[in-house]
Amino acid sequence: GAVVSQHPSRVICKSGTSVKIECRSLDFQATTMFWYRQFPKQSLMLMATSNEGSKATYEQGVEKDKFLINHASLTLSTLTVTSAHPEDSSFYICSARTLQDQETQYFGPGTRLLVL
Amino acid sequence: DAKTTQPNSMESNEEEPVHLPCNHSTISGTDYIHWYRQLPSQGPEYVIHGLTSNVNNRMASLAIAEDRKSSTLILHRATLRDAAVYYCISNTDKLIFGTGTRLQVFP
Repeated sequence: GAVVSQHPSRVICKSGTSVKIECRSLDFQATTMFWYRQFPKQSLMLMATSNEGSKATYEQGVEKDKFLINHASLTLSTLTVTSAHPEDSSFYICSARTLQDQETQYFGPGTRLLVL
Repeated sequence: DAKTTQPNSMESNEEEPVHLPCNHSTISGTDYIHWYRQLPSQGPEYVIHGLTSNVNNRMASLAIAEDRKSSTLILHRATLRDAAVYYCISNTDKLIFGTGTRLQVFP
């Protein structure tokens, strides 16, 4: 089956620093990738949609200058949390889908970010 | 985006069937019905999806009402590993997650 990986699986950083999270589709080409955020005991919240080679589309209320998304290849998307603050601490999850099967998304295992 | 309504929680005993309901009364004609589940501290896992006809796969069955305003995810024999939050989503382009149903399975 389709596998999506994320790196790192968990990261702790100081307030004010930037953190990059990678999302890779290991055995398929992902024309579209999605980034979600999940706070404890809450559901997943879609942050943005990124298509390979084009700018990401952000959901309402998500700051594009704070959450930089790059989808430079068909197997890699990155999310950079710039100038992270404690309120950015969350579980960040990516998902990917192919052009051939746009009804199914494959999710990564998530990255837990803790900002001190 | 279409909104779905699910019970907050359900319980089952191991090896019994589980029927997880979902209402999606505002679904449009082209929206698929998707089910994903999420175990603690993991990313969601695809379970099943359908448009109009009932669907079966190795994990579950999906029964879709004739008017498409509701559906039921059926786990034929629940195991302890099926304990998770189950999300029903009806969208065309992107998956918008609701609060889901937390399924507890007792031995």
